[in-house]
Parts: sequence; structure tokens; C-alpha cells
Amino acid sequence: RKEVEQDPGPFNVPEGATVAFNCTYSNSASQSFFWYRQDCRKEPKLLMSVYSSGNEDGRFTAQLNRASQYISLLIRDSKLSDSATYLCVVNLLGAGNNRKLIWGLGTSLAVNP
Amino acid sequence: DAGVIQSPRHEVTEMGQEVTLRCKPISGHNSLFWYRQTMMRGLELLIYFNNNVPIDDSGMPEDRFSAKMPNASFSTLKIQPSEPRDSAVYFCASSSFPGQGASNYGYTFGSGTRLTVV
Repeated sequence: RKEVEQDPGPFNVPEGATVAFNCTYSNSASQSFFWYRQDCRKEPKLLMSVYSSGNEDGRFTAQLNRASQYISLLIRDSKLSDSATYLCVVNLLGAGNNRKLIWGLGTSLAVNP
Repeated sequence: DAGVIQSPRHEVTEMGQEVTLRCKPISGHNSLFWYRQTMMRGLELLIYFNNNVPIDDSGMPEDRFSAKMPNASFSTLKIQPSEPRDSAVYFCASSSFPGQGASNYGYTFGSGTRLTVV
């Protein structure tokens, strides 16, 4: 089982739709969580951190369920510019107190006019 | 600030040749990371440096790969000899916090080098 798993998609949605992505992680020692956005042929950029109580940033809402070990990202009123790949990232505290970022393969979103 | 600068943006080389990728981190950032991204394996950390010292190179695939950071403003990733399976996008990232997971603030990627080995 991969350490961080995401549905690769692609998700094809019309403008204005609400879309949700899930991500599951295998290691319960995971400590912090993030969503990154990566445009085609570009570098990843931080979209938002994911807090235990859930957090919102404009049209984006992130939630964490530690018991079930999954993270979600909800995008409301999707825009054409939201088309990208969304990467789930987990910060794991490993051996020797060494923190490690584990990256999912990403979920592809295409928002259509 | 110009951000993390990588060169070259694209590299096409023949199998067996030496390839050197370059990275200039953001000034003041004391951690630098080299990642490789492929469709099949996603983003994989190859090596990271704190204050120019290699901390974790467990992700370096094999001895053909080596990385150096001679000073705070420059790092190289070298592949010698290159093989077709090394074809990927190689990203450099820098951070103002020590360790790759200490904080997500100031963790900035360069634009990447797209390497094709034929």
C-alpha cells in the first residue's frame, strides 16, 4: 500500500461546480498535512495547510480525519483557473526525529466552460 | 527575490553522458532539497542539505547520482553516467526552516529541469 494515496482522476467538472478530493495516508504517526497545487509543466505550490479542526481559505476547504487517516479538499464554485493537479502531502516524523514529507501522486482536475 | 533558480530548464543527453543540474536557493534559506518527479512515482526526495551539509541522501537512487552544496547559494546534482530511466523532472526547493518537514512556510520550489536521456 502506498504511504499516501489519491484518486488520480481526472475529474472533469463544469464551471461553478463543487468538487471534492480525498487522500488517505497509511502512517498514523503523520503529524501535519498539506495540499499543493501543480499546474501543467510547472512546479508545485502550496495551496493550504490542513488543520485538525478543518480550515477554509475562500472557496477552498480542507479537512482532516485522523481516526480514518484521510484528508479532503473541497473546491466550491470552481473556476477555469482551478484546473491543475492537486497533491496531498503528509509530514511524517520518522526514525531519529527526522521529519519527512511524503507526496501523493496527485489528482487531476479539469474545469470546463 | 528571484525565487529558487534552476538551470538548465531542459536537458537532452545521450545515455552514458554526464549531466549536471544546478540550483540557486533563495537567499537566506538554509535548507535545500533535490526532488525527482515522474508520472509513475510522483515526487521523490533525493537528498537535502541543512546549512550546506547533506543530512539525508537515502533517496539517491544509486552511486551514479551525487549532489554537492559548496556554499549557501549554490548546489549541483550530477548523474554520471546517465541512463534513459533517469528521464524525469528534477526540482530543487529551499526553505528557511531546518529539516524537510519542520515547517511548510518558506518551502519554495524552482521551476525544475526536464531531463531526457536518449
